[in-house]
Amino acid sequence: EDQVTQSPEALRLQEGESSSLNCSYTVSGLRGLFWYRQDPGKGPEFLFTLYSAGEEKEKERLKATLTKKESFLHITAPKPEDSATYLCAVQAYSGAGSYQLTFGKGTKLSVIP
Amino acid sequence: DSGVTQTPKHLITATGQRVTLRCSPRSGDLSVYWYQQSLDQGLQFLIQYYNGEERAKGNILERFSAQQFPDLHSELNLSSLELGDSALYFCASSSPVQDRSGNTIYFGEGSWLTVV
Repeated sequence: EDQVTQSPEALRLQEGESSSLNCSYTVSGLRGLFWYRQDPGKGPEFLFTLYSAGEEKEKERLKATLTKKESFLHITAPKPEDSATYLCAVQAYSGAGSYQLTFGKGTKLSVIP
Repeated sequence: DSGVTQTPKHLITATGQRVTLRCSPRSGDLSVYWYQQSLDQGLQFLIQYYNGEERAKGNILERFSAQQFPDLHSELNLSSLELGDSALYFCASSSPVQDRSGNTIYFGEGSWLTVV
């Protein structure tokens, strides 16, 4: 069974204080690892997909990296508007031509001015 | 805005009742997914349709059913509702493109269901 574990569950940062969120996973046949941002009461917003170990992607203050067992979401000099829950998900083949996402429970990030 | 549209945004109903949630996927997307998000469970995959046919099933209760219509919109029907069914229900869609860009699943804003 595919499993995704995110840590920490919650993280409070001062504005400008860089940090990293962790996503560890076990999956049979990883097709891709996804990062989403979710604001309270809203739908998950797609951020990145990573496909192979060593791959990195950046978007503004966010950089996602991937190894064979985990992914990190690095946040550089965060701003209060980066406050959200960050979700990690692995996509794997589930049969009948279908690929499914298995989500972690997320890391709730709060950036204090 | 992801391009996935869900209605209604909020609904409150009593136990034992039945509700229907509606979803319009992004233009051109053939796959529609339904997810449930509750406080303690995180995002749980319920069911996937591809071009009108059921493609995969997740943790969907027998009291729940879904379908995808010829115009590709989808409906999730929840019946004999229980207090524990209160949650955010998300619809998502993805492209039929076979390259990596087709992997990404885009989510709607969700339908808040409260069962009282």
